[in-house]
Amino acid sequence: KAGVTQTPRYLIKTRGQQVTLSCSPISGHRSVSWYQQTPGQGLQFLFEYFSETQRNKGNFPGRFSGRQFSNSRSEMNVSTLELGDSALYLCASSYGTGATEAFFGQGTRLTVV
Amino acid sequence: GQQLNQSPQSMFIQEGEDVSMNCTSSSIFNTWLWYKQDPGEGPVLLIALYKAGELTSNGRLTAQFGITRKDSFLNISASIPSDVGIYFCAGHNTDKLIFGTGTRLQVFP
Repeated sequence: KAGVTQTPRYLIKTRGQQVTLSCSPISGHRSVSWYQQTPGQGLQFLFEYFSETQRNKGNFPGRFSGRQFSNSRSEMNVSTLELGDSALYLCASSYGTGATEAFFGQGTRLTVV
Repeated sequence: GQQLNQSPQSMFIQEGEDVSMNCTSSSIFNTWLWYKQDPGEGPVLLIALYKAGELTSNGRLTAQFGITRKDSFLNISASIPSDVGIYFCAGHNTDKLIFGTGTRLQVFP
C-alpha cells in the first residue's frame, strides 16, 4: 500500500509570491492534516480536511489556506509569502477525522528568499 | 501554538545503552502517539496508545500511557546507531493532535 505522497519535495520562492503544495493520502484515508515544522516552533497544526470539508484550523493567518478534493487529495496554498514561511510542510493522512494514528508524508521543504 | 513538554531535549548515549524520554501535558488526552523523524523526512509512527495505564511494545521500543492521561513515556532498549533521530510524542484529544517539542537522540558507537 503506497504511503502519503507530497509534491514537490523542495521549493524555492521569493517574497510576495504564492505557492501550492500537494498531498495524496494513503488509499482509503479520508482525513488530511497539514503541519508546519520549523526549528524554533516545532510541529504546528495548520488545518484538517475530511470529506472535502475543513474540520479544524490552527492559529495561522488567512494567507494559509487549503482544500480537499473528492478523491481525498489535498492542496495547501500560501499567498504573499514571507521569509518566516520558510519551513518543512508536512501532510498527514488518517482514516477518520481527528487525525488519530496519523501517517506522515516526507514533506515539502519551502524556502522563501 | 500549543505544544507538549517533552524531556529531555537531547540525549547523547553510547550504543547498547537504554534510553528513556517522557512527555507531559496540562490537558488530558485520549490517545498518545510516539513518532521518530529522520533529518529531512516526515515523522514515522512508532507506537500508539489508547488506554490509561496501557503498556505497548514495538521491538526494542516500549511506551506507556500515563495513569493520569496527562503523560506518556518511551523507552528504547539496547540502542543502536540507526536509533538516531528526533522523537516526538503527540497527544490526541477530541479534534486534533498536539505534538511535543521533541527529543533529539544521538548514539555513538
